[in-house]
Amino acid sequence: DQQVKQNSPSLSVQEGRISILNCDYTNSMFDYFLWYKKYPAEGPTFLISISSIKDKNEDGRFTVFLNKSAKHLSLHIVPSQPGDSAVYFCAASSRSNDYKLSFGAGTTVTVRA
Amino acid sequence: DAGVIQSPRHEVTEMGQEVTLRCKPISGHDYLFWYRQTMMRGLELLIYFNNNVPIDDSGMPEDRFSAKMPNASFSTLKIQPSEPRDSAVYFCASRRGRTGGYTFGSGTRLTVV
Repeated sequence: DQQVKQNSPSLSVQEGRISILNCDYTNSMFDYFLWYKKYPAEGPTFLISISSIKDKNEDGRFTVFLNKSAKHLSLHIVPSQPGDSAVYFCAASSRSNDYKLSFGAGTTVTVRA
Repeated sequence: DAGVIQSPRHEVTEMGQEVTLRCKPISGHDYLFWYRQTMMRGLELLIYFNNNVPIDDSGMPEDRFSAKMPNASFSTLKIQPSEPRDSAVYFCASRRGRTGGYTFGSGTRLTVV
């Protein structure tokens, strides 16, 4: 049973515009959330994270928002660049579960020039 | 540091054959994770080790799958006998401590024909 869900398998956005990726989770014990980025033939790499005590974390062009009551988080990329074209995975973990990561199915982002 | 090293990068095998995937974690990392990536389910955790001891293997799909970590610098994931539905990309990741960031290897793409 998938505890982390990314319901949009793909997203296409024009260069310079905002990319918004969504993620939902079901386990209320999750207290740490992360986004990973994956290029073809490479392993996922860490992008940005947020603790459950916050509702927003920003790092350059990337911002993650957390809505605990809705069990929902989102990743905003502004402005989108061609190098952002990749698969983005949402992940969640909890202290009670050794911080092992549960991942969503991923969203493929394509940034059009 | 060379990062997490996985071998082979690609493996094509016939149904019924034994397959062994290998992983060398980053030196000093005491956690090691095996994930499988499929289109439908994204990244699924198969098993993870702490200090070479298997902690949670609840994600291992069947008895055909087994994993070992004989020492801190080496782990194997074995499938015997392999089946076409095992075709996927298998990732190994390691981290230092409970709250350390994950570092993923480049993965092994397994095709069972």
